[in-house]
Amino acid sequence: QKEVEQNSGPLSVPEGAIASLNCTYSDRVSQSFFWYRQYSGKSPELIMSIYSNGDKEDGRFTAQLNKASQYVSLLIRDSQPSDSATYLCAVKGGRLVDMRFGAGTRLTVKP
Amino acid sequence: GAGVSQSPSNKVTEKGKDVELRCDPISGHTALYWYRQSLGQGLEFLIYFQGNSAPDKSGLPSDRFSAERTGGSVSTLTIQRTQQEDSAVYLCASSLLAGLQSEQFFGPGTRLTVL
Repeated sequence: QKEVEQNSGPLSVPEGAIASLNCTYSDRVSQSFFWYRQYSGKSPELIMSIYSNGDKEDGRFTAQLNKASQYVSLLIRDSQPSDSATYLCAVKGGRLVDMRFGAGTRLTVKP
Repeated sequence: GAGVSQSPSNKVTEKGKDVELRCDPISGHTALYWYRQSLGQGLEFLIYFQGNSAPDKSGLPSDRFSAERTGGSVSTLTIQRTQQEDSAVYLCASSLLAGLQSEQFFGPGTRLTVL
């Protein structure tokens, strides 16, 4: 079982819709969770971090964490074509002294 | 410079040669991380430094890989006797601290091609 799992996609949504990206992790004692956006040919860019159960909102982005279910998600409201990228989920804590990444979900927002 | 910088941006080498990749973290960041991303793959953790020390070297793929950090700043990742499977983008990141809630910021990466 991979430490961090994401649906590879591609996930396609129309412009203006809500994009929902999901991530599960295997280490129950993981404590910190991060979402990165990576455009093709570029390096990952931090979007959000979340540490406590519940929702955390930042502009059009909402991160949701459920530690009991070992599940973290990212919602993108009013999706724009510029949101088209690969979204990486990263987990830290517990056994993980470093950050471990999922393989990423490729999102396409169609005009 | 505000961000993490890496050099070279691209490196093409022949199989069996040694290469050295450089990372300059954000000023004041004490923790530095190296990752590798192969084409279409996720990020693979290689090694991290807290100051000049590397507490966890378990991610290094083989003994051909080594890394050092001096002065709590610049780090170099060295790959000896390169193989074609070493071809990848090598990414460096830094964070203010190595704590659980420390956010990592990435450099632009070095694209290594081994012919």
